[in-house]
Amino acid sequence: QTVVTQEPSFSVSPGGTVTLTCGLSSGSVSTSYYPSWYQQTPGQAPRTLIYSTNTRSSGVPDRFSGSILGNKAALTITGAQADDESDYYCVLYMGSGIKVFGGGTKLTVL
Amino acid sequence: QVQLQESGPGLVKPSQTLSLTCTVSGGSISSGGYYWSWIRQHPGKGLEWIGYIYYSGSTYYNPSLKSRVTISVDTSKNQFSLKLSSVTAADTAVYYCARAERLAAAGDYFDYWGQGTLVTVSS
Repeated sequence: QTVVTQEPSFSVSPGGTVTLTCGLSSGSVSTSYYPSWYQQTPGQAPRTLIYSTNTRSSGVPDRFSGSILGNKAALTITGAQADDESDYYCVLYMGSGIKVFGGGTKLTVL
Repeated sequence: QVQLQESGPGLVKPSQTLSLTCTVSGGSISSGGYYWSWIRQHPGKGLEWIGYIYYSGSTYYNPSLKSRVTISVDTSKNQFSLKLSSVTAADTAVYYCARAERLAAAGDYFDYWGQGTLVTVSS
């Protein structure tokens, strides 16, 4: 079974830039996987950030951006703020209606 | 503004069937263009897609759960439901319902989420 991989944790300084990635245990992520990204703070439901690789969801600030970097999907946060400290999840569409979440990245801003 | 609200028992005994309902407001399940989804999160862990249903009744399930999962829709009540059979302690999780918007070519993404409901499996 294909595993969607994410960095377990990452840290960034306030005002800094960080790129989180979303890969496959076997193979490369492309736009055909329609990667999407979600932000979750403790005790809250996830919030949609990015879909279809690089489209920001309504109300998401433009310091969040999505792309394909090499063989992975990527979420870049530019000018990190304290309230960006959250868990970030990617989701890949595997075809035939099947979706797989990555394991999530815990982002610390310090 | 679309809103989703999960409801159902917070405690289920092992070997029994977990049943949850998601009530949708601010939009019609029958409008098309969306998949109605269930996702869960084990305590302190990541998110896991369970499956989803289209208003027509077409269903798609996580292969690892497929043998135990049934998702159904009641368009007259604007609700969809999850049944997970033969539960064990490993099914203890927060269960979210969510709407997934279909993209033009293929794929979809979750655009609205319920607040989630904790279901504990214990005798």
